[in-house]
Amino acid sequence: QKEVEQNSGPLSVPEGAIASLNCTYSDRVSQSFFWYRQYSGKSPELIMSIYSNGDKEDGRFTAQLNKASQYVSLLIRDSQPSDSATYLCAVNMGGNTPLVFGKGTRLSVIA
Amino acid sequence: NAGVTQTPKFQVLKTGQSMTLQCAQDMNHNSMYWYRQDPGMGLRLIYYSASEGTTDKGEVPNGYNVSRLNKREFSLRLESAAPSQTSVYFCASTPSIFSGANVLTFGAGSRLTVL
Repeated sequence: QKEVEQNSGPLSVPEGAIASLNCTYSDRVSQSFFWYRQYSGKSPELIMSIYSNGDKEDGRFTAQLNKASQYVSLLIRDSQPSDSATYLCAVNMGGNTPLVFGKGTRLSVIA
Repeated sequence: NAGVTQTPKFQVLKTGQSMTLQCAQDMNHNSMYWYRQDPGMGLRLIYYSASEGTTDKGEVPNGYNVSRLNKREFSLRLESAAPSQTSVYFCASTPSIFSGANVLTFGAGSRLTVL
């Protein structure tokens, strides 16, 4: 069974703090990793993708990948109330297969 | 650019009724997907179509059928709706499942209630 695990939260952080969202996956041959943000009542939207070990930064967002530990994370610096949403981790577990999604972590940024 | 368009946005059915959710994309994508989302369950794949003319089961296919009508359109049919199928349904597409860069574009979702 190919699985993607996330802490469901809610994760509460004060405005201006760093929010750290974590994701683990079961399949070592996984190739590509994605973070989607989903506001309540809306569809998921891609915010970050990462394909190789290390860090990838885009504005206030940093994705971190460690394939040896089967771990991917998303850091949100200077968190804003508008970052309050559910964050979904998605993994391509090799071959011509659809993405596998975690259950999502609900983030709440408190003003 | 419309992206991925789903219809209807809302639907209420009685147990045993049938209905079809429609999905169309205008991005010339080859691969299309149907997901359902329930509270606390994340996105679960129902069916997908890697390319025109092919369909495959996902994680939760029971009670559903799909048709890849052409490259643009991928429909999801509930033949005999059950209360357990009350959910939000998302259609999505990618340029190709045969690429590791599987960036999904989602439709706005269809909220289905089965009484």
